[in-house]
Amino acid sequence: AQSVTQPDIHITVSEGASLELRCNYSYGATPYLFWYVQSPGQGLQLLLKYFSGDTLVQGIKGFEAEFKRSQSSFNLRKPSVHWSDAAEYFCAVGRHTGGGNKLTFGTGTQLKVEL
Amino acid sequence: DVKVTQSSRYLVKRTGEKVFLECVQDMDHENMFWYRQDPGLGLRLIYFSYDVKMKEKGDIPEGYSVSREKKERFSLILESASTNQTSMYLCASNSAGGYRDTQYFGPGTRLTVL
Repeated sequence: AQSVTQPDIHITVSEGASLELRCNYSYGATPYLFWYVQSPGQGLQLLLKYFSGDTLVQGIKGFEAEFKRSQSSFNLRKPSVHWSDAAEYFCAVGRHTGGGNKLTFGTGTQLKVEL
Repeated sequence: DVKVTQSSRYLVKRTGEKVFLECVQDMDHENMFWYRQDPGLGLRLIYFSYDVKMKEKGDIPEGYSVSREKKERFSLILESASTNQTSMYLCASNSAGGYRDTQYFGPGTRLTVL
């Protein structure tokens, strides 16, 4: 069965510092990987996704993620964090079943940004 | 601009009540999903639907049912609400392109069962 692990429940960084959020997955086939962000009181917004090809994926808001098959990882990065990046971040793996796809989510990483 | 709307942002119900959570999407998507979000547990899939009147159980369907009479609308039903169903409920949709296709989420309904 597929699973996603986000080992960091909370992360605090200073504004302007770099950020890396970790995500490890378990999936028997080629994974389809996503990062979503949830701002307080909001639904989830897609940051980026990986299906195939270049293992470094660019997303919105200056985020990027790198797929490493050998490490079963899909870590999210940003070179310089802004205060508005404070939110909860979810990694997910997609699997196809029946008539549509399903997503398995990690438990999330809460990001706090210190000014 | 894509849009998924949920009928209520906040809802308070009593134990034993029948509860309906409504979700509407305007993107003509075939697939619709209901998730439950709890702290420390992330999002867990309750049910999804890949066509009108079609549904499939997700990972935690117990205590819930769903209805999809029209393509744009997907309802989650709590037949007899219990306190352990207090949670944030998120609806999502995507096209029939399958697992490659982005799921778009609504803003969520925070349900409290007293």
